[in-house]
Amino acid sequence: AQKVTQAQTEISVVEKEDVTLDCVYETRDTTYYLFWYKQPPSGELVFLIRRNSFDEQNEISGRYSWNFQKSTSSFNFTITASQVVDSAVYFCALSDLFDMRFGAGTRLTVKP
Amino acid sequence: ETGVTQSPTHLIKTRGQQVTLRCSSQSGHNTVSWYQQALGQGPQFIFQYYREEENGRGNFPPRFSGLQFPNYSSELNVNALELDDSALYLCASSWAGTGGFNEQYFGPGTRLTVT
Repeated sequence: AQKVTQAQTEISVVEKEDVTLDCVYETRDTTYYLFWYKQPPSGELVFLIRRNSFDEQNEISGRYSWNFQKSTSSFNFTITASQVVDSAVYFCALSDLFDMRFGAGTRLTVKP
Repeated sequence: ETGVTQSPTHLIKTRGQQVTLRCSSQSGHNTVSWYQQALGQGPQFIFQYYREEENGRGNFPPRFSGLQFPNYSSELNVNALELDDSALYLCASSWAGTGGFNEQYFGPGTRLTVT
């Protein structure tokens, strides 16, 4: 069975700090996909990234970066120089072709 | 480009009743997925429709059913409502060449309260 664990329930940082959100997954599949979504206070989930299991290259997009390590079954998300607008709940998710599992989410609060 | 829309925004039903929630996919998308999100939790996958056929289902009983129409809009039907069905129901659309989960665009959700 697939499972996603986001051990950090809530994180609070001060603006301009770097913050890493952890994601650990479990799957028996060799082909799978990993995602991060952001759910701001307005409510709608926003796609951030999709990664397939064969691509372990880390990715950077502006202040966001992702570290995918199959050896530790982790797909961590780092925000550099955090801003107040980054305050949201962040979900890590795992899918195969027919099923999708979200973690419980990490609530990030960035204080000015 | 119109985003994903859902109706109604809020709904109150009584235990035992039936409910239909609607979703209009983003233009050009051929796949729609439905999720249930309880307060303070992550979305739980209900099912996905790809080219009008169910293409995957989560751990939800048969009283949760769906439809996808030729214009790729979709419905979620829930029969015999239970109190635990109270949640935010999210619809998400995407383009998938062979089904599966690509970048999904989520709607604002329908808040269902069962009393």
